[in-house]
Amino acid sequence: EIVLTQSPGTLSLSPGERATLSCRASQSLASNYLAWYQQKPGQAPRLLMYDAFNGATGTPTRFSASGSGTDFTLTISSLEPEDFAVYYCHQYDTSPLTFGGGTKVEV
Amino acid sequence: QVHLVESGGALVKPGGSLRLSCAASGFSFNDYYMTWIRQAPGKGLEWLSVISSGSTYIDYADSVKGRFTVSRDNAKNSLFLQMNSLRAEDTAVYYCARGVYPSDYWGRGTLVTVSS
Repeated sequence: EIVLTQSPGTLSLSPGERATLSCRASQSLASNYLAWYQQKPGQAPRLLMYDAFNGATGTPTRFSASGSGTDFTLTISSLEPEDFAVYYCHQYDTSPLTFGGGTKVEV
Repeated sequence: QVHLVESGGALVKPGGSLRLSCAASGFSFNDYYMTWIRQAPGKGLEWLSVISSGSTYIDYADSVKGRFTVSRDNAKNSLFLQMNSLRAEDTAVYYCARGVYPSDYWGRGTLVTVSS
């Protein structure tokens, strides 16, 4: 199975700062089928990005994603108060589908 | 809009069974693969199962293979997860989600607690 390793585990930042989250896959994603989800306490995850760099419907433009193969990045250009949450990367390239362990973005 | 509502979560003893349901609305259910994902308390996300629109393709995570069975009723816009031989480590919030490449809309989840 493809293991996704997210770093850092926790990112302590302030509103207005830039956030850079990393997701590394244990083997290459041939089709770059990598998504990013945001989850707030008590809520279901919300799809932010898919196919490595495409924004999902409704995703604010301050979110961007990049990467290919084994290394992927989610960037939040300027943190808004509502962006403090846990972010998960997810590969749907190879079964079994897997998620990273998450990065918590906190104030 | 897309709406997914899970139900059926409960407190069950180890070795017991439970059937979860997911009611879908706001989209053409029979056009989409559907997925089950769970999240243990305070933990990350774990993909469990996928079923194709016509139920011809089904896949499971190793952790539930042979114990859980996914099914769907397109006439009733419903997705199901039959869970047998439940273990303490199956305690989690269970989410149904639309699609698999990737799953774009998720329900709010239903809590399954396995404890004696």
